[in-house]
Amino acid sequence: GENVEQHPSTLSVQEGDSAVIKCTYSDSASNYFPWYKQELGKRPQLIIDIRSNVGEKKDQRIAVTLNKTAKHFSLHITETQPEDSAVYFCAASQHDYKLSFGAGTTVTVRA
Amino acid sequence: NAGVTQTPKFQVLKTGQSMTLQCAQDMNHNSMYWYRQDPGMGLRLIYYSASEGTTDKGEVPNGYNVSRLNKREFSLRLESAAPSQTSVYFCASLSSNSAGELFFGEGSRLTVL
Repeated sequence: GENVEQHPSTLSVQEGDSAVIKCTYSDSASNYFPWYKQELGKRPQLIIDIRSNVGEKKDQRIAVTLNKTAKHFSLHITETQPEDSAVYFCAASQHDYKLSFGAGTTVTVRA
Repeated sequence: NAGVTQTPKFQVLKTGQSMTLQCAQDMNHNSMYWYRQDPGMGLRLIYYSASEGTTDKGEVPNGYNVSRLNKREFSLRLESAAPSQTSVYFCASLSSNSAGELFFGEGSRLTVL
């Protein structure tokens, strides 16, 4: 099955700085790569996703890049704010209905 | 519109006891899932149901059973709970028309003593 590795496991950034989280996947057939955000005590929620026919996607302060050759994808958060503090999960799938998640990155934004 | 509702939110069991986690969605979604979340291990798929009438094993199915009762409901059963099953359990659903977005329930925190 698909194996997704995520780094770093924790990330502390100064408010206003950028944060980058990286994930690698094992199955070259994977074609869908979402990112979920989970605030403390809450449910995970989708924040952005990318499909294998696209190299980059942006939504306001967040962006995701995909390198199919190297089998890795990254989440970029610019101008971080306190509300960006959360656990972020990357995921990958061949079929939309079966996702494999990374272990998560705990992001702390320092005021 | 409640989305995905799961019960109970909290449960404490003794080793060997059984229990069922209930999940229902009101979004007319086809696929439903059960994940467990443990520190440092992300979200691991226990079982899923791609459509009404079908169920399949995920990454960590041992010790669990599921039932897709109808299109709305998908339950997870622990027949003989073990301390290793202490976790937070999330139910989720996915519409084939929603570009792959999983909608999660609020989670159920289970402690097995």
